[in-house]
Amino acid sequence: ETGVTQSPTHLIKTRGQQVTLRCSSQSGHNTVSWYQQALGQGPQFIFQYYREEENGRGNFPPRFSGLQFPNYSSELNVNALELDDSALYLCASSLRLAANTGELFFGEGSRLTVL
Amino acid sequence: AQTVTQSQPEMSVQEAETVTLSCTYDTSESDYYLFWYKQPPSRQMILVIRQEAYKQQNATENRFSVNFQKAAKSFSLKISDSQLGDAAMYFCAYRSGQWGGSQGNLIFGKGTKLSVKP
Repeated sequence: ETGVTQSPTHLIKTRGQQVTLRCSSQSGHNTVSWYQQALGQGPQFIFQYYREEENGRGNFPPRFSGLQFPNYSSELNVNALELDDSALYLCASSLRLAANTGELFFGEGSRLTVL
Repeated sequence: AQTVTQSQPEMSVQEAETVTLSCTYDTSESDYYLFWYKQPPSRQMILVIRQEAYKQQNATENRFSVNFQKAAKSFSLKISDSQLGDAAMYFCAYRSGQWGGSQGNLIFGKGTKLSVKP
């Protein structure tokens, strides 16, 4: 069984640029959530995708957008990068029916640094 | 809005001893779930234990157990027989019992860094 994989693991961008982060969900999982974890903080929910549609969003501006593909993999796009976007971005997959059990399976994250 | 508070930024325990990590939360909901996640230096969050709010019995998973006090809105994690591999960041998290929208996802505390001394 393949776990959640994310790419790239580390990247550096400059303010104003755009970035795309990728996530392959665990085999059989149909729901993907993205979280932002700033240094020294707990993860914060960005949004969730189910069946290729956004199915819930946290308190993040529209320049944070995403996609989910038919194979349930996902992308997180961030436009007009700001210094405060520097963080670890975590992807988590789950089975929608099991969602209430809290069985989110996380990847190791993508560390974004904005200079 | 729901909040999760972990008041211990760092904790330390001797190998083979027992340690308790604290968590309090605030919610007006009656149906919800609580979790403890572990984040080692590899950064991958791993579910340690979960508790359904409607269950009075405290959850237990091997060396890990919780003390769930619903009225006090307290959810502490006890780690028995601590091992070197237990060293990590521990996050307490809340999820609404309603599925769908942003309520279907986790609200995390700021975490407690646990060190285990040999």
